[in-house]
Formats: sequence, structure tokens, C-alpha cells
Amino acid sequence: DAKTTQPNSMESNEEEPVHLPCNHSTISGTDYIHWYRQLPSQGPEYVIHGLTSNVNNRMASLAIAEDRKSSTLILHRATLRDAAVYYCILRGYGSRLTFGEGTQLTVNP
Amino acid sequence: EAGVAQSPRYKIIEKRQSVAFWCNPISGHATLYWYQQILGQGPKLLIQFQNNGVVDDSQLPKDRFSAERLKGVDSTLKIQPAKLEDSAVYLCASSLGPGQENYEQYFGPGTRLTVT
Repeated sequence: DAKTTQPNSMESNEEEPVHLPCNHSTISGTDYIHWYRQLPSQGPEYVIHGLTSNVNNRMASLAIAEDRKSSTLILHRATLRDAAVYYCILRGYGSRLTFGEGTQLTVNP
Repeated sequence: EAGVAQSPRYKIIEKRQSVAFWCNPISGHATLYWYQQILGQGPKLLIQFQNNGVVDDSQLPKDRFSAERLKGVDSTLKIQPAKLEDSAVYLCASSLGPGQENYEQYFGPGTRLTVT
């Protein structure tokens, strides 16, 4: 499985945008970029995924670099409830979700 | 829509004892997954079922772990005998499809196992 690199931790202030980076320089052409998050004492929760184009949903936006070697998860207005570990995962056809250690996001009131 | 259900939520056992976890996936989801999450790490896939057949169990320690999904719905994961290093949260997840790249996985709350 191709690997991703994320910062161990990030901080943000409530109601401000948050940009969570992910590097995946060995991504293959068929790998989708998935983001999951895990709130304290809960199972992971799907956030968003994409292949080549930028994606938006009710939770977040995913910006994918033109060469696909990096991507950024954007939370437009962070809330205290967004404090979680965010996982960036590459997933090819039929392959498993391989979680790394993710980025611990702290949101300050 | 009801989510993925797991029980028990917590379990404490002594080493060398056995333990079983139960999972009920979202209705209609053909694919079911069991993950192990050790404290401070991301979840690791143990086994994946497509209906009642095993798709991927390459990371399941088969000398002590077993899992089944009878009738393609509920699933149980068993550890026998347990070791100290099995202390972890065991997560069950389900998805509509057979692990294709764009199928979202829905996770249950997990079972926290402590082996003493």
C-alpha cells in the first residue's frame, strides 16, 4: 500500500478554517484519497474522498494537487466537535484501508 | 438509519482466557470488517468478509484469533487464548460493497479489551 505522511498534531481556533495536509508522493493512478476522522472514544468516521478533482461535501472540502502527490482537507469553520484524529488514506481497487497515525487536531475555544 | 452495533463495550479478562465480540452491521451492507486499534495507533484490519465469505484475513493471528459471519449478517470475533498484547479496541465496520475503492466504511463504537 502506498504511504501517506501527515503532521502528528495541529491546532486551530474555533470558527476559523483548518487546512490539514497530507503527502502521498508514491500514489498510483488508481489510488483514491480517503479521509476519516476519529473522535475520542468513538470509531472512525468517513469524511470525504476523491481521485483527481477537488471535492466538497457537507463536512469538508478536499483539495488535490495537480500531480496528486499531496492533498489538503479543509474544514471551513472549525468547531470544538471537530477535535479528532484525522487520517489520510490511499486506497486502490480492492485494497484495504490502511490507517497511519493521523493528525491530532486540537480546536481552541 | 441504525449504525453498526457492537457488544460488549468493555471487557476485562486475564491472560490465557478466551473472549468473544459481537457485531451487527448496517442492514444491507454486504461487507464487514474487524479492526484492532492499539492505544496511540490507527486501526489495523484483521479480517474482511464479503457476505459470509472471507476476502482478506492476511493480518489475522490465526493461532489465537478466529472470526465468523454466519448467514452473511452478524459476526463474532474470538480470541483464545488471550495475551497481554491483545489489549486494544476492537472495531467492527461495514460497507455496501466488496471493498471497492469508493465505498465508505461505517464503524461501530468498538469494544475495549483489557487483558491482565
